[in-house]
Amino acid sequence: RKEVEQDPGPFNVPEGATVAFNCTYSNSASQSFFWYRQDCRKEPKLLMSVYSSGNEDGRFTAQLNRASQYISLLIRDSKLSDSATYLCVVNDYKLSFGAGTTVTVRA
Amino acid sequence: DTAVSQTPKYLVTQMGNDKSIKCEQNLGHDTMYWYKQDSKKFLKIMFSYNNKELIINETVPNRFSPKSPDKAHLNLHINSLELGDSAVYFCASSQDDRGGYTDTQYFGPGTRLTVL
Repeated sequence: RKEVEQDPGPFNVPEGATVAFNCTYSNSASQSFFWYRQDCRKEPKLLMSVYSSGNEDGRFTAQLNRASQYISLLIRDSKLSDSATYLCVVNDYKLSFGAGTTVTVRA
Repeated sequence: DTAVSQTPKYLVTQMGNDKSIKCEQNLGHDTMYWYKQDSKKFLKIMFSYNNKELIINETVPNRFSPKSPDKAHLNLHINSLELGDSAVYFCASSQDDRGGYTDTQYFGPGTRLTVL
């Protein structure tokens, strides 16, 4: 079983829509969680950390469910610029990356 | 003002050659990393150095040898290149990676290696 699994998508959504996706992780002792964003042929960049109580950053909401070992990302009011691959990242002594969920926002 | 820089950006070479990729960070971070992103887009850690000391060495063939002359530089040397080494290699840095907590990692732009 992979350490971090994500639905690869792609999620094709119109501008203004809400899109949400999850990722599951295998190590119940994992300490911290993140969402990174990677644009095509670019480097990954931190989008947001994920806290136990859930957290928002503008149009982005992240949730953590430790019991079921998954984290989620929700994007409200999608913009064309949100088109990217979103990488789920789990820290258990090192960062383990999922393969990413591709989101395409269309006009 | 590039925070994490890598050279070269593209590297095309023949099987069996030896090549190096250089990485430099000007963020004053203590920890640097090398990652490999293969064609399936999985980003996997290869090595991690903290203040020039190797702290993570994942299962990587010993043809790959990292070298950290100082905490701002982490170079990657690859001997006897193989077809399967073709990938994008990312360098990254973070403020501190001791004690199991990982600060935000800042990635370089990547080096796209193609082995023919």
